[in-house]
Amino acid sequence: GNSVTQMEGPVTLSEEAFLTINCTYTATGYPSLFWYVQYPGEGLQLLLKATKADDKGSNKGFEATYRKETTSFHLEKGSVQVSDSAVYFCALSMLYGGSQGNLIFGKGTKLSVKP
Amino acid sequence: ETGVTQSPTHLIKTRGQQVTLRCSSQSGHNTVSWYQQALGQGPQFIFQYYREEENGRGNFPPRFSGLQFPNYSSELNVNALELDDSALYLCASSLMVGGNSYEQYFGPGTRLTVT
Repeated sequence: GNSVTQMEGPVTLSEEAFLTINCTYTATGYPSLFWYVQYPGEGLQLLLKATKADDKGSNKGFEATYRKETTSFHLEKGSVQVSDSAVYFCALSMLYGGSQGNLIFGKGTKLSVKP
Repeated sequence: ETGVTQSPTHLIKTRGQQVTLRCSSQSGHNTVSWYQQALGQGPQFIFQYYREEENGRGNFPPRFSGLQFPNYSSELNVNALELDDSALYLCASSLMVGGNSYEQYFGPGTRLTVT
């Protein structure tokens, strides 16, 4: 079946450090891929998305590139801030063009950024 | 424009009881999806409602049921509660047009504890 695997946390970084959170997927077909962020006490917010191979999603300094050959969608940010502390979820959907059917999520990676 | 709201925020129930969780969708949205997020896990899709009909269901038993009302708000009902039903229940609303379901906007969730 379709699934998402992401690196286990927690990840602790100092402010201005480089961030990578790994995400790989298994899917029958061509999924759309998403990163969601969950701040404490809040619901999930869409951070970025990519709908086809080699697409790069970006938002708020975060980037992720849809790599079909490695079935990956790693999240990166060049310089993290304390305000980036949250739980990050990688997800896929099997509808086309970024249209979202039911989302399949990874387990989440908790990021803590220290001043 | 109000976002997705859920009630109650927290709930404690005893094994075997029944519970109803409520969700008000974002203005202009016609579709509601429900997810279960166990502690330390990613959200898992329960089901989706579109135009008051169930429009897809995940791997959850029939004791998980739902309703969608003409104003697109929704309820999640769980009968015969089990300890493993303890989780954060997330509601997400979206707009579906012509079979395409656009970005899901998540509420803050209801934390259910079953003792």
